[in-house]
Amino acid sequence: AAGVIQSPRHLIKEKRETATLKCYPIPRHDTVYWYQQGPGQDPQFLISFYEKMQSDKGSIPDRFSAQQFSDYHSELNMSSLELGDSALYFCASSLGKDQPQHFGDGTRLSIL
Amino acid sequence: SQQGEEDPQALSIQEGENATMNCSYKTSINNLQWYRQNSGRGLVHLILIRSNEREKHSGRLRVTLDTSKKSSSLLITASRAADTASYFCATGPVTGANSKLTFGKGITLSVRP
Repeated sequence: AAGVIQSPRHLIKEKRETATLKCYPIPRHDTVYWYQQGPGQDPQFLISFYEKMQSDKGSIPDRFSAQQFSDYHSELNMSSLELGDSALYFCASSLGKDQPQHFGDGTRLSIL
Repeated sequence: SQQGEEDPQALSIQEGENATMNCSYKTSINNLQWYRQNSGRGLVHLILIRSNEREKHSGRLRVTLDTSKKSSSLLITASRAADTASYFCATGPVTGANSKLTFGKGITLSVRP
């Protein structure tokens, strides 16, 4: 069965640089979520989209933005990167509200 | 935005034994989900239990939910070495257009062969 695809798997950046993370949800899933997981931490919700519209916002810094495109893939754009942004970034998708969320393998972002 | 606490924080058992992990949360919920995460990998959805359900089974997994105590437990029976992973509970809110998940702290399960 198709799963959530994230790219790249690993990304190394320097402070103050920008990064773009991509997510391809499971086909026909209408909701995409982004989460951030710091080392040894639990995942923290960043932002979600339903049918290409932003539906909920969590603890996402103003330096970050995201969007969902007409083909339902989503991108998380991160600017002015800081050392504290080093984390695993997960994308998840679901079919409708209150349904299981299926996660991708994540993008490991390292800031030097 | 930690929702609650899971206990124990770490659990080490022998293969074939049962593992019980507990999770507590603070706010009203629509559903509670359990996930497994192998080191540095993605989260794998295990089971979802809704607020109007009390118990649910899936293979070797049994989940209970007590909304009066705001707690849930995950039981893995006849554990295997491959069950070694971190386990998270996550809650979906009652309100909101979409159910963002609020995760608890993970429980590290080690199953010794």
